[in-house]
Amino acid sequence: EAGVAQSPRYKIIEKRQSVAFWCNPISGHATLYWYQQILGQGPKLLIQFQNNGVVDDSQLPKDRFSAERLKGVDSTLKIQPAKLEDSAVYLCASSLNSPGTEAFFGQGTRLTVV
Amino acid sequence: GENVEQHPSTLSVQEGDSAVIKCTYSDSASNYFPWYKQELGKRPQLIIDIRSNVGEKKDQRIAVTLNKTAKHFSLHITETQPEDSAVYFCAAMRGAQKLVFGQGTRLTINP
Repeated sequence: EAGVAQSPRYKIIEKRQSVAFWCNPISGHATLYWYQQILGQGPKLLIQFQNNGVVDDSQLPKDRFSAERLKGVDSTLKIQPAKLEDSAVYLCASSLNSPGTEAFFGQGTRLTVV
Repeated sequence: GENVEQHPSTLSVQEGDSAVIKCTYSDSASNYFPWYKQELGKRPQLIIDIRSNVGEKKDQRIAVTLNKTAKHFSLHITETQPEDSAVYFCAAMRGAQKLVFGQGTRLTINP
């Protein structure tokens, strides 16, 4: 089966610019996560969707980050305006909508803010 | 909310020896504890998981133990091999809510 698809793989932007990341989860997976992984750290959960509803976004910096999952399938994560500290790998993951099931990760988007 | 602490941050062992990584969690209602392996520049991949109704689970050279009373769980890798070198992450989840990760352990296997 196809895995979690993310694009782009790499992005370099200047601070104060905006950027968007796209994620296509595994078919049939109702749960979708966006994580931020700063170099040398563990993935930090930004937002969790169940279908097209938000389950948790408590760690999403809402003044600059936004995410949506229209139609409960694909999702986009946007940063506007970007700061230097946003440089990280943004990982998308998906899982079945059942407690205690494996989350499958995409390859991630490496963002560099200069 | 859930908080997961992972130790050590780096671990170096001789090939063939065992490696142990430990994690503690804060939410007593967490009931699913996966371990992920992340090789350099690649995505995290599940290597083993355990649910709260089980105390131990083993898969070949890898085992995980869970102590619900103390709220900690551990990853054990026996007969380590060079390909075990990677960063390992523990995580905890409550129902279908919030998969929270630890900070990671960089494991190096020395030949």
